[in-house]
Amino acid sequence: LAKTTQPISMDSYEGQEVNITCSHNNIATNDYITWYQQFPSQGPRFIIQGYKTKVTNEVASLFIPADRKSSTLSLPRVSLSDTAVYYCLVGSGEGYQKVTFGTGTKLQVIP
Amino acid sequence: KAGVTQTPRYLIKTRGQQVTLSCSPISGHRSVSWYQQTPGQGLQFLFEYFSETQRNKGNFPGRFSGRQFSNSRSEMNVSTLELGDSALYLCASSLEGQINQPQHFGDGTRLSIL
Repeated sequence: LAKTTQPISMDSYEGQEVNITCSHNNIATNDYITWYQQFPSQGPRFIIQGYKTKVTNEVASLFIPADRKSSTLSLPRVSLSDTAVYYCLVGSGEGYQKVTFGTGTKLQVIP
Repeated sequence: KAGVTQTPRYLIKTRGQQVTLSCSPISGHRSVSWYQQTPGQGLQFLFEYFSETQRNKGNFPGRFSGRQFSNSRSEMNVSTLELGDSALYLCASSLEGQINQPQHFGDGTRLSIL
């Protein structure tokens, strides 16, 4: 199982770009990298998923270097509503029971 | 499309009782997973059901059990409740439980044991 390491917390001012990096040194060939966002008293919400290079959707970008030993979630121009815990998951196949959410990164957006 | 629905949202029980939590997945999703979330342990995988069969199980005692019905709805049961079972219980569904198919979570059932 690929173990992930993320910063425990980060602070950012509104309007700035935030980059959260996740290390996964023992990622396997078939593993995908997935990021979730969780607000207090709510279930996690899927943000983005990627396998290699760069993936972009309407809310975030995911950068994955060639060696895939790390990945960076980029949130453009954060707002106060982006204050949440962000989890990086690494895994493959069937299924989510084989991955751990870890402690995540608590992002605090400051006005 | 309706999201994942969990009922009830809040529950208070006493030690020794048992409890049943319910989860209705997104229509068409056949995989349902259950998680326990506590401040100390974070999100921990309990078990996953697919086509009415428990396909995978986490490291929890036998007091924690579940089942899935033919319409993919799932229930989770905890017997002989302990104080340490106080937690947010989350249910998540996906098409077939594959990693490249994002999981959709409900907002959970907050279980408090007195």
